[in-house]
Amino acid sequence: GAVVSQHPSRVICKSGTSVKIECRSLDFQATTMFWYRQFPKKSLMLMATSNEGSKATYEQGVEKDKFLINHASLTLSTLTVTSAHPEDSSFYICSARDRGGRGWGEKLFFGSGTQLSVL
Amino acid sequence: SQQGEEDPQALSIQEGENATMNCSYKTSINNLQWYRQNSGRGLVHLILIRSNEREKHSGRLRVTLDTSKKSSSLLITASRAADTASYFCATEMEYGNKLVFGAGTILRVKS
Repeated sequence: GAVVSQHPSRVICKSGTSVKIECRSLDFQATTMFWYRQFPKKSLMLMATSNEGSKATYEQGVEKDKFLINHASLTLSTLTVTSAHPEDSSFYICSARDRGGRGWGEKLFFGSGTQLSVL
Repeated sequence: SQQGEEDPQALSIQEGENATMNCSYKTSINNLQWYRQNSGRGLVHLILIRSNEREKHSGRLRVTLDTSKKSSSLLITASRAADTASYFCATEMEYGNKLVFGAGTILRVKS
């Protein structure tokens, strides 16, 4: 199956700093990637849909200036948490569809996630 | 808001037993998918069932879909300790590109 690589897997930062998380599709082109946030023992909350070459579409309640998304190429999307605060501590996961693969690209392939801890 | 609601929230069974998890949703869908997540990791796709399908099998997995009741179930037969994980249903709505995930069921299989 298609592979999505997410980096870093874990980051600890001080309050007020910015953190960048990368999501790469390794063996397919992803025109669309999705960014989710997950709290412990909770479900995935969709934050935004990242579109290659255009602006991301944010879900209601997600601050676009806080969570900057850049999808500069068909294989890379980045999420930058700006001026991070302790309440931003969470597990962030990216995913993508392989539109060129079997199954009409209906299923998502997920990165392994990034655990962000803001002190 | 989350589209899917799952029950039970947590399930603990003995190895060899069957595990059944249920998912309900609110709007019309294109398909419903089940994913598995090991602790602190990304999600892995298990099985997809389309809105015009009623049942699907994949190995020890059996998924049903009742669009009239807007519900689905995932059955794992002959469970193994390695099946211990969180299981999520996700719905792709009729008009849309994104998947919306349910609350998940934490399954623990005791050996």
